Amino acid sequence: DAEITQSPRHKITETGRQVTLACHQTWNHNNMFWYRQDLGHGLRLIHYSYGVQDTNKGEVSDGYSVSRSNTEDLPLTLESAASSQTSVYFCASSVGGSSYNEQFFGPGTRLTVL
Amino acid sequence: AQKVTQAQTEISVVEKEDVTLDCVYETRDTTYYLFWYKQPPSGELVFLIRRNSFDEQNEISGRYSWNFQKSTSSFNFTITASQVVDSAVYFCAPRSGNTPLVFGKGTRLSVIA
Repeated sequence: DAEITQSPRHKITETGRQVTLACHQTWNHNNMFWYRQDLGHGLRLIHYSYGVQDTNKGEVSDGYSVSRSNTEDLPLTLESAASSQTSVYFCASSVGGSSYNEQFFGPGTRLTVL
Repeated sequence: AQKVTQAQTEISVVEKEDVTLDCVYETRDTTYYLFWYKQPPSGELVFLIRRNSFDEQNEISGRYSWNFQKSTSSFNFTITASQVVDSAVYFCAPRSGNTPLVFGKGTRLSVIA
């Protein structure tokens, strides 16, 4: 069955370290998204991509970067982790081209920055 | 750009009560979709329903119903005869064109046995 996976599921790191969170989908979806979820803020968009070599900034992109070298993967990199980036991170994907299509979400990665 | 307001941060009900979750959205687009997602305590995000901006008919699916009123920019979600398994955070999200979903802050529903 097609799916979307995230790894690692839990990560503890130290302030200043570079961290990369992986997202892999097997639906062959063009669109992929990264959100962070914090208490009191709901889900906020970090970055998104509409296809290979395409990346776009979301609402809270500072301190994060993404690259899309193939259809299946959109890794999220924290350049220099900060305590404010402690959060739960969700990756999502959808068929492109229409507002009709729902986004499918991965299970999430809980990141703690000490 | 879209904006969503879910004014109810937390709601607690006793099992078998009906409960309505409010969602008010803002958009300049004439064509859009509205989505509801559920996030149970296990943490995953589950798609519940989508409704397009041209269809204001209410939708009923089992114990769930949705009331879309374009005039008030609202897309409310009602659970009839709530059950403990309905306890979750519920998110409303509009989408137009090929843009990402814009989520509200969510409403945490607790159903007490």
